[in-house]
Amino acid sequence: DVQMTQSPYNLAASPGESVSINCKASKSISKYLAWYQQKPGKANKLLIYDGSTLQSGIPSRFSGSGSGTDFTLTIRSLEPEDFGLYYCQQHNEYPWTFGGGTKLELK
Amino acid sequence: QVTLKESGPGILQPSQTLSLTCTFSGFSLSTYGMGVGWIRQPSGKGLEWLANIWWDDDKYYNPSLKNRLTISKDTSNNQAFLKITNVDTADTATYYCARGNWAFFDYWGQGVMVTVSS
Repeated sequence: DVQMTQSPYNLAASPGESVSINCKASKSISKYLAWYQQKPGKANKLLIYDGSTLQSGIPSRFSGSGSGTDFTLTIRSLEPEDFGLYYCQQHNEYPWTFGGGTKLELK
Repeated sequence: QVTLKESGPGILQPSQTLSLTCTFSGFSLSTYGMGVGWIRQPSGKGLEWLANIWWDDDKYYNPSLKNRLTISKDTSNNQAFLKITNVDTADTATYYCARGNWAFFDYWGQGVMVTVSS
């Protein structure tokens, strides 16, 4: 199975700041990585797929980069609604696997 | 508008079979490239992919659950199903269904909590 390692585990930031969340695959997954946002009481939201393609309706302050084994989700100019949990998921091969999650908290 | 909603028993006993239903709208499981997946999340922990079923009836399972999983669909009624046999306390989790769009999940349900307890 492809192991997905996210870092950092916790991240504290203020509105207006920019942050980056990293995801590392145990072997190459080409570009096939998705990023999701999870917030209490809401359905999980797809942000990015294929490493860098912004899902329809997602604000352009979210961006994804990387290929092979190393990927990054960047959120520019944080808004209050951006705080929550973020997960990466590889969709290159079965079994699909998720990273352990990054909690983005308000500083 | 795509929506998905999970339903399940809420609580069941060890060794029983867990039956989950995903009722969806806004897409069809007969459409090329569409699928439904099941994912679970124990309280306070991360996401674990369980199984996918696709428009052409292809099915994929997480081998970590060995032969305990069965995924199926009822295209006419816009439903997908997951059965997990021989449950134990480690299967206590929130279970999500999500629409598969070729290779990722673009819409998710809110999840249903399942507790395994004697």
